[in-house]
Amino acid sequence: GENVEQHPSTLSVQEGDSAVIKCTYSDSASNYFPWYKQELGKRPQLIIDIRSNVGEKKDQRIAVTLNKTAKHFSLHITETQPEDSAVYFCAASRNDMRFGAGTRLTVKP
Amino acid sequence: DTEVTQTPKHLVMGMTNKKSLKCEQHMGHRAMYWYKQKAKKPPELMFVYSYEKLSINESVPSRFSPECPNSSLLNLHLHALQPEDSALYLCASSQDGTPFSFSEQYFGPGTRLTVT
Repeated sequence: GENVEQHPSTLSVQEGDSAVIKCTYSDSASNYFPWYKQELGKRPQLIIDIRSNVGEKKDQRIAVTLNKTAKHFSLHITETQPEDSAVYFCAASRNDMRFGAGTRLTVKP
Repeated sequence: DTEVTQTPKHLVMGMTNKKSLKCEQHMGHRAMYWYKQKAKKPPELMFVYSYEKLSINESVPSRFSPECPNSSLLNLHLHALQPEDSALYLCASSQDGTPFSFSEQYFGPGTRLTVT
């Protein structure tokens, strides 16, 4: 089955800096890659997603890049704000959904 | 209505009890999911219903029994649980009836279950 690895497990940045989270997946047939943000005690919420036929997608301060050959994808957050502090999960999907272990992002004011 | 709702928010049950978790969505979504999330871990898929039929069962023990009475409701019946089953149980739904077919999954707030 699919295996998703996510790094780093924790990330601390200064407000205004950029944050990058990386994931690798094992199943080359995976074709959908969502990113979820989960604040403490709250539900996961989709922040951006990308399909396998696209290499990059951007939504304001958030961007995702996908390298199908290398089987890795990354989340980029620019101009980070304290409210970006949360746990971020990547996932890879074909016929099911496998999540990475999560990255706890802390943005220091 | 763009929300997935779950009841109860918290549940404490003994190992001999029978209880049910409830999930509801009124967005017309045709796929619904149950996930289990332990503390500081990612969600783990348990079951998927597509067009009200069970399409994926991720080798979940039989003490968890899902039910989809109609297109808006999803239940998870619990019986003879173990303390290690204590977790946050998340329900999700997506528009397309084909599970994981590129459509966003909307998560409910979860039920925090404690088994004593």
